[in-house]
Amino acid sequence: SAVISQKPSRDICQRGTSLTIQCQVDSQVTMMFWYRQQPGQSLTLIATANQGSEATYESGFVIDKFPISRPNLTFSTLTVSNMSPEDSSIYLCSVDPTFHRTSSVGYTFGSGTRLTVV
Amino acid sequence: DAKTTQPNSMESNEEEPVHLPCNHSTISGTDYIHWYRQLPSQGPEYVIHGLTSNVNNRMASLAIAEDRKSSTLILHRATLRDAAVYYCILRDLGSQGNLIFGKGTKLSVKP
Repeated sequence: SAVISQKPSRDICQRGTSLTIQCQVDSQVTMMFWYRQQPGQSLTLIATANQGSEATYESGFVIDKFPISRPNLTFSTLTVSNMSPEDSSIYLCSVDPTFHRTSSVGYTFGSGTRLTVV
Repeated sequence: DAKTTQPNSMESNEEEPVHLPCNHSTISGTDYIHWYRQLPSQGPEYVIHGLTSNVNNRMASLAIAEDRKSSTLILHRATLRDAAVYYCILRDLGSQGNLIFGKGTKLSVKP
């Protein structure tokens, strides 16, 4: 299965600043996903990032706040912009490891970025 | 994607089997049943998935009801390292492909 390297693993940031989180996969994947997990909560999907097209955002998430890049089939970034303490969460990337989505397989998740905004 | 219903929490004793239930009464014919678990301070980890038939792998077994409206994740011998939140998720191949997480079941394992 795919192996994901997510960076940074944690950070403490000042309010009003931005943080870019990187997700590197060891193989080509078609679909990459970004999730947020607030303290004590389940995962909430932020957006889906396909290479060569604009990311698709879920309700409640906007591109100006969470811009996403997907320059190639092995890499993506999520930026948390103009941060406030409410953005303190764990941010995770995930991939569908099949290059050609012809069957259902298990997804792989990064270890997450624990963000604290002060 | 269809919704699933799981108990908020369950307890088990170490080295005993654990049966984690999941209800998905509105499942469609093209929905796969996925199970993931999240250990403390880690990202979710794939456990098992199935469509209609029961499935076994090195981590667990998945028992799927004949009408597919429910399923059970079976850990044959719980260990302390199995303490985690277990998520039952339906995924339709024809959809965007993302996984929609519910609240899951928090499994505690007692020594």
